[in-house]
Amino acid sequence: QVTLRESGPALVKPTQTLTLTCTFSGFSLSTSGMCVSWIRQPPGKALEWLARIDWDDDKYYSTSLKTRLTISKDTSKNQVVLTMTNMDPVDTATYYCARTNHGGYYFDYWGQGTLVTVSS
Amino acid sequence: QSALTQPRSVSGSPGQSVTISCTGTSSDVGGYNYVSWYQQHPGKAPKLMIYDVSKRPSGVPDRFSGSKSGNTASLTISGLQAEDEADYYCCSYAGSYTPWVFGGGTKLTVL
Repeated sequence: QVTLRESGPALVKPTQTLTLTCTFSGFSLSTSGMCVSWIRQPPGKALEWLARIDWDDDKYYSTSLKTRLTISKDTSKNQVVLTMTNMDPVDTATYYCARTNHGGYYFDYWGQGTLVTVSS
Repeated sequence: QSALTQPRSVSGSPGQSVTISCTGTSSDVGGYNYVSWYQQHPGKAPKLMIYDVSKRPSGVPDRFSGSKSGNTASLTISGLQAEDEADYYCCSYAGSYTPWVFGGGTKLTVL
């Protein structure tokens, strides 16, 4: 059974760095073709893809947020970590992690999401 | 503003069919057969309904179907049921520069 769960602070101050952790089970990020992405959704708004890390440690970032994002993985802990620097109130959103299998182009399993509010 | 354009809302009565469009460009929808569709109920995570334009994951009813023509992809839901009422998002691969783009979402109301 594949599951993903996001964790991190519910509240961060403007200019701070956000660190989110995706802990997953039911698959391994050392398996060829496995990938994990981060996707966010501001309240009442659309989904926005942020970043992806692949089994072979290839990394991809949203062009508009590339300078602020870092994605990494700890295969032994079944975790993927996303850091986002210089947080702003417009970054207030529910952050999801999601799996891609077989090196595909879709997200077949999602975590339940974690709401991050940016406010002083 | 989202990269892919979807109607903000569609509606239909139980048993009817509805189609949700997703318009992009030749750099995303039109350039790759990698369009996927997600259903999202309020307060819940998105759920994959269609991938690679027209493929259905195991467990998704065959009432849901996908297609593509040029730069526009479509999701059709036939035999509408009350539980289909949700937000629907399209997503397309857009190349190595900005790999994935989403649509703005469509709210489906079952009358």
